[in-house]
Amino acid sequence: GQSLEQPSEVTAVEGAIVQINCTYQTSGFYGLSWYQQHDGGAPTFLSYNALDGLEETGRFSSFLSRSDSYGYLLLQELQMKDSASYFCATYSGAGSYQLTFGKGTKLSVIP
Amino acid sequence: DSGVTQTPKHLITATGQRVTLRCSPRSGDLSVYWYQQSLDQGLQFLIQYYNGEERAKGNILERFSAQQFPDLHSELNLSSLELGDSALYFCASSPSELGASGNTIYFGEGSWLTVV
Repeated sequence: GQSLEQPSEVTAVEGAIVQINCTYQTSGFYGLSWYQQHDGGAPTFLSYNALDGLEETGRFSSFLSRSDSYGYLLLQELQMKDSASYFCATYSGAGSYQLTFGKGTKLSVIP
Repeated sequence: DSGVTQTPKHLITATGQRVTLRCSPRSGDLSVYWYQQSLDQGLQFLIQYYNGEERAKGNILERFSAQQFPDLHSELNLSSLELGDSALYFCASSPSELGASGNTIYFGEGSWLTVV
């Protein structure tokens, strides 16, 4: 089976930096993804790490450590529009084609 | 706009009834996934189809069934509905099976189902 743990809520100030952590347990591992979902909206893909290290996409970066079964999403220069839920997700492969999501972290950006 | 189309956007129905949710994947995508999202719950994987064949099954109730048609659109059938089935049901698609295309899947806007 697979399980992903992430904090349920995070609050940060506009303009600041926030890190959302994700730890996972899987029977196999094919990389860690991050998705953003605004209230009532569709989840949208943010980033994907297949290998250890940092991936940067504009204000968002994602990090993966396979040896620690750990990853994080880093959001810089926070804007009010970044208030949303953020999900980490992983696909175990090994005959399973199931993309499993964590329960999500609700980020509130305050002025 | 992800290119994934779901209908209906909103649906209200009574307990015991049956509904069908429809999904058209992005052009060229062969895989379709169905997820359920309830209040305070994450995205619960229900089922996946690839080019018409069932490939993975998650926590899908026996009252629920799905299929993918030759034109690659998919339908999720929910029967004997209960109050607890009220949720947002998402369809997602990807070009191929997971692994080959990383972990990127593209979600539709969802179908809000309210069972009263």
